[in-house]
Formats: sequence, C-alpha cells, structure tokens
Amino acid sequence: QSALTQPASVSGSPGQSITISCTGTSSDVGSYNLVSWYQQHPGKAPKLMIYEGSKRPSGISNRFSGSKSGNTASLTISGLQVEDEADYYCCSYASSSTWVFGGGTKLTVL
Amino acid sequence: QVTLRESGPASLKPTQTLTLTCTFSGFSLSTSGMCVSWIRQPPGKALEWLARIDWDDDKYYSTSLKTRLTISKDTSKNQVVLTMTNMDPVDTATYYCARDRSGPSAFDIWGQGTMVTISS
Repeated sequence: QSALTQPASVSGSPGQSITISCTGTSSDVGSYNLVSWYQQHPGKAPKLMIYEGSKRPSGISNRFSGSKSGNTASLTISGLQVEDEADYYCCSYASSSTWVFGGGTKLTVL
Repeated sequence: QVTLRESGPASLKPTQTLTLTCTFSGFSLSTSGMCVSWIRQPPGKALEWLARIDWDDDKYYSTSLKTRLTISKDTSKNQVVLTMTNMDPVDTATYYCARDRSGPSAFDIWGQGTMVTISS
C-alpha cells in the first residue's frame, strides 16, 4: 500500500485561506468516504481535524473543512491563524481493511 | 474522559522482539464498533498505520509488516498489546495507539506516544 501524496509544504499569511491536497488511488481515497485529516504540532500527538471526508469533530473550528473529488481529497483552512502552523496528515481507509497515511504537509503561517 | 497511554521499552537491540501495551480508559473495547490501532512515526517522517483490533476481536495488519506483527486485547484490563518481531534500526520511531469508535471511521483519540530506539 503506497502512501497518499501530499505537498511537502504550503504557506499562507494570517487571514488567508490555504488548501492541502491528498492524492490516492481507486483502492483508497477513490473507493471510500473515509478520509481523515490530522494536525500535529512539534513533539505532540496528532489531533483529528476532519473525518469521513468533511465532518468536523466537536470543538474543531469551522475554519477547517474537507472535501473529495475522485481520488483526491482536500483540506481547506480559512482565516489562517498563527496557531494553525503545524504538520498536517491525511489518512484514508484502503482495501484489505487497512489504513494509509499521506506523507505529511508542513504548513507555515508567514 | 477518554485516554490512551502507550508503554514499553525505550530501546531494543536489532533482532529483538518489541512488545508495546496500550492502556486505555473512558471506553470499552467490547462496545460494538470500537477499534484500537497502532500507528508509528520515525523521527522527522510521516505516520504509518501498523495494525488494528476490533471490538469483536477481528484483526488487521499493514500489508508490508504483517509477517512481523501481532495485535491482541485484554478487555478486562482495558489493554491492547502489539508485538513486532525482528526489530531493525529502521523501526526506530514513536509508536502511538489510537481509538476509532465507529470503525472504520477515524482515529479520534490518540495516546501521547512512546519512543522506541533500535540500536546495537
């Protein structure tokens, strides 16, 4: 199972919007509405930000949104804040009842 | 409050077997739909899913690591145990356990992680 493809880095200024893409295949992202996104600050455990493609857990700001088209999922963060600076990982359910993560994207808030 | 905590050795020598324990509270692994997975992260690298055990004792493993992994649970102790055989320096990583309460859905609660270093 190959890792999902994410850009290594993205950046934006406070108040702006950014989108992180996550490209998989018809065996994972394209076949299941089970893409999730995780935020990870340095030295911390990942935190669930989006699940089942576009749902937000309780307590997660509505500035975070998720979507999917074909084999590509996307995470959009609007109204960027300094505290959004972190690594972001996508994850998808895949064939054989496994999970596959993306390579991670470092978000820099300039 | 739901919490998970990983425990295990901080270091091992190559070829040894790693045994990690995830002790959790705030939920029961006998509840329908509940799952616990193990996920690892080498220093400076991406997350990698390793294994999952479900409320009904179904087990699933990473395709690339399945020959080396065994996952089990002790519902009475609220623990999930992962063993990984034939450890190698490339297995040096932080190992996390995480809950999925509506498996499969997503990992909604994570442990703090435990760092394991493989070195001779």
